[in-house]
Amino acid sequence: GENVEQHPSTLSVQEGDSAVIKCTYSDSASNYFPWYKQELGKRPQLIIDIRSNVGEKKDQRIAVTLNKTAKHFSLHITETQPEDSAVYFCAAPHPNFGNEKLTFGTGTRLTIIP
Amino acid sequence: EAQVTQNPRYLITVTGKKLTVTCSQNMNHEYMSWYRQDPGLGLRQIYYSMNVEVTDKGDVPEGYKVSRKEKRNFPLILESPSPNQTSLYFCASSRIGGLNTEAFFGQGTRLTVV
Repeated sequence: GENVEQHPSTLSVQEGDSAVIKCTYSDSASNYFPWYKQELGKRPQLIIDIRSNVGEKKDQRIAVTLNKTAKHFSLHITETQPEDSAVYFCAAPHPNFGNEKLTFGTGTRLTIIP
Repeated sequence: EAQVTQNPRYLITVTGKKLTVTCSQNMNHEYMSWYRQDPGLGLRQIYYSMNVEVTDKGDVPEGYKVSRKEKRNFPLILESPSPNQTSLYFCASSRIGGLNTEAFFGQGTRLTVV
């Protein structure tokens, strides 16, 4: 199946600075890469996704970049704020399935230091 | 309101006592799945279902059962719980196919087996 590796496992960033989380995947046929955010005690929720026909997608302070050749994608958060503190999961679709069957990374705990 | 509802939210049980965690969605999604979340291991899939009466094993199915008799419900059954099944469990649902396959998660069930 798909193998998704996520780094770092923990990340502390000064408020206002940028944060970057990276993921690699194994199946070169994968074409959909979502990111989920899980606030403390809450459920994971989709915050942004990217499809393989584009190299970058932005939504206000968050962006995702994709390098299909290297099989990695990254989440970028600029001008970080306290509410960005959460666990972030990347994901990629399982081979031989549609985009509904996802393999998740192990998560990154992001802490924003006031 | 579109939602996935799990019950109970918290459960403490003893080894060997059968239990069921319920999951229900009101979005008419075909795809439903169960995950367990453990520190450092991320979200690992236990079982999934592509539609009514169609279920299959995920990555960590040992010790679990599921059923999909109705499209909206996808209960998780632990026939004989053991302490290594102490974990945070999430149910999720999504559409199959199309551009929007966002996974919607339930609130989570924190299970402790003593």
